[in-house]
Amino acid sequence: EAGVVQSPRYKIIEKKQPVAFWCNPISGHNTLYWYRQNLGQGPELLIRYENEEAVDDSQLPKDRFSAERLKGVDSTLKIQPAELGDSAVYLCASSQPNKNEQFFGPGTRLTVL
Amino acid sequence: LAKTTQPISMDSYEGQEVNITCSHNNIATNDYITWYQQFPSQGPRFIIQGYKTKVTNEVASLFIPADRKSSTLSLPRVSLSDTAVYYCLVSYTGGFKTIFGAGTRLFVKA
Repeated sequence: EAGVVQSPRYKIIEKKQPVAFWCNPISGHNTLYWYRQNLGQGPELLIRYENEEAVDDSQLPKDRFSAERLKGVDSTLKIQPAELGDSAVYLCASSQPNKNEQFFGPGTRLTVL
Repeated sequence: LAKTTQPISMDSYEGQEVNITCSHNNIATNDYITWYQQFPSQGPRFIIQGYKTKVTNEVASLFIPADRKSSTLSLPRVSLSDTAVYYCLVSYTGGFKTIFGAGTRLFVKA
């Protein structure tokens, strides 16, 4: 069974540029999460989807971050414009309906110069 | 939401049993306790989950006392490959609220 797929794995951009991350969850997992992980810290939840609905986006900086999951399968997280402080690893995870266990992808390491 | 507290780091030697304790004083009735493992450049990986007493699987055991205000992850006979960061978190089954703390960095030495 394929795991959570994320792309790209690495991204280097200059500040003020836009950037997008893509995630394809495990088939059948209707819950999808986006996390941000800063160096030396645990993952911080940005947004959680139940199918195509964003049910928890309280931690998403909505002035520059946006996310979508149009068909309830894959998802895109966007930052526009990026700031130096956005440098981090962006993790996507998915879980089965009514299950707590989350399956994480390898993450996208973003470096903003 | 329940906040967790766990040691920043631990050292061990190969073949030893490692116990990592996590405190979660504000755990709610519906919260489960979950542990994840993370290697460098990888996403966290689920290890074990429990609600009360003891849970055991092929890689670890989880001990939860009756008051559920703490829990202990037990790794039997660790090897070098168990060097990783271990996160304790509480998960609210109804809303899937999960908060990762800073984790415990376990370093296993030969």
